Amino acid sequence: QVQLQESGPGLVEPSQTLSLTCSVSGVSFTSTGYFWTWIRQQPGKTLEYIGRIYHSGTTYFNPSLKSRVAMSVDTSKNQFSLRLSAVTAADTAVYYCARYYYRDHYLDGWGQGTLVTVSS
Amino acid sequence: QSALTQPASVSGSPGQSITISCTGTNSDIGDFDFVSWYQQHPGKAPKLVIYEVTNRPSGISWRFSGSKSGNTASLTISGLQAGDEADYYCSSYTNRGSLGVFGTGTQVTVL
Repeated sequence: QVQLQESGPGLVEPSQTLSLTCSVSGVSFTSTGYFWTWIRQQPGKTLEYIGRIYHSGTTYFNPSLKSRVAMSVDTSKNQFSLRLSAVTAADTAVYYCARYYYRDHYLDGWGQGTLVTVSS
Repeated sequence: QSALTQPASVSGSPGQSITISCTGTNSDIGDFDFVSWYQQHPGKAPKLVIYEVTNRPSGISWRFSGSKSGNTASLTISGLQAGDEADYYCSSYTNRGSLGVFGTGTQVTVL
């Protein structure tokens, strides 16, 4: 059973870069067909894809966030990371990491989520 | 990409059945059988309960079932139990160039 855990600062200042890491356990980090994914939920809103990354480093981003998003993987540590630059208060959200099965397009494991607040 | 439309809340008594609808467009639900449903208890991680419209992952109760007609998918919970009280989100693959689309979410209350 896949287990994921987000980590990173809970408070980021406006215009700075939000950085989060997701640690994966319970499954092979390099399994074929699975993408590692970031999703967020802004207060009072529904879930929103930020981006996904394959263990090879191939990435796909939400077009609305693409200019500010970077993702990376560290296969030696079974971790993947998110960087979101030039944050504003609108980026305040609960950020989830999850595993996405590419063939059938569903998320079969999620982290607990971490609240990131953008404020000075 | 607009969110899929779900009712804000649905309620039922223990033992009853409830159905949550999820309405999309011809670019997502209407054209693809890649609808999934997620259950989220307060403060907990979302959990997959249905994938590919009708399939239940291992360990998910038979009381959860999914269906689709046209642009609308549905999640039915039979024999409602107190532990089913949670938020439920639908999601679908889309050919509109985004990574996928989620529903607006439905809060299920067991009376």
